[in-house]
Amino acid sequence: NAGVTQTPKFQVLKTGQSMTLQCAQDMNHNSMYWYRQDPGMGLRLIYYSASEGTTDKGEVPNGYNVSRLNKREFSLRLESAAPSQTSVYFCASKNRGAKNIQYFGAGTRLSVL
Amino acid sequence: DAKTTQPNSMESNEEEPVHLPCNHSTISGTDYIHWYRQLPSQGPEYVIHGLTSNVNNRMASLAIAEDRKSSTLILHRATLRDAAVYYCILFLPYLYNQGGKLIFGQGTELSVKP
Repeated sequence: NAGVTQTPKFQVLKTGQSMTLQCAQDMNHNSMYWYRQDPGMGLRLIYYSASEGTTDKGEVPNGYNVSRLNKREFSLRLESAAPSQTSVYFCASKNRGAKNIQYFGAGTRLSVL
Repeated sequence: DAKTTQPNSMESNEEEPVHLPCNHSTISGTDYIHWYRQLPSQGPEYVIHGLTSNVNNRMASLAIAEDRKSSTLILHRATLRDAAVYYCILFLPYLYNQGGKLIFGQGTELSVKP
């Protein structure tokens, strides 16, 4: 069972470069989420998509954009990367009801130099 | 804002029970208490959740105080594979277009000694 798949696993960028983090889930879930995790901290929500065709800002959206390409895929784009965006990024998905359990990918470790 | 407070770290011996405490004194009546754990280099993994009553599943038990201001995650027999960061999380079900919001704390790093 693949679950939630994130690519790439690791990435190093220079300040000002752009990149897109990819996320796909094969559980037919309606809702998808992007989080970031900084050292010694819990996860903070960047953006979420409650259903296909909708996206909304979470707690820390500045510097990011998202696209819900279809029900399976939810991408996160950094248009002009900054050192403050060095973090571990996690994608998650959830179905409505279903005890509100979120299923997480393994993460993308991003360093911005 | 709703938040949770946990010890930064705890130690346990293998095959002994572990009680991981959490304070959430600002919890509201509709907020759920969720626990996730994060193994090294992996994403968080759901463990258990509850609203008012104690809960049991194959992974753990959750004991919720009567006033709901604190809870305890109980691992009945710790194994080496249970070494992880355990997050006590408040789930606010009516935010974010009814999809709900998970509010993560800083977590407790559990180490298990053979």
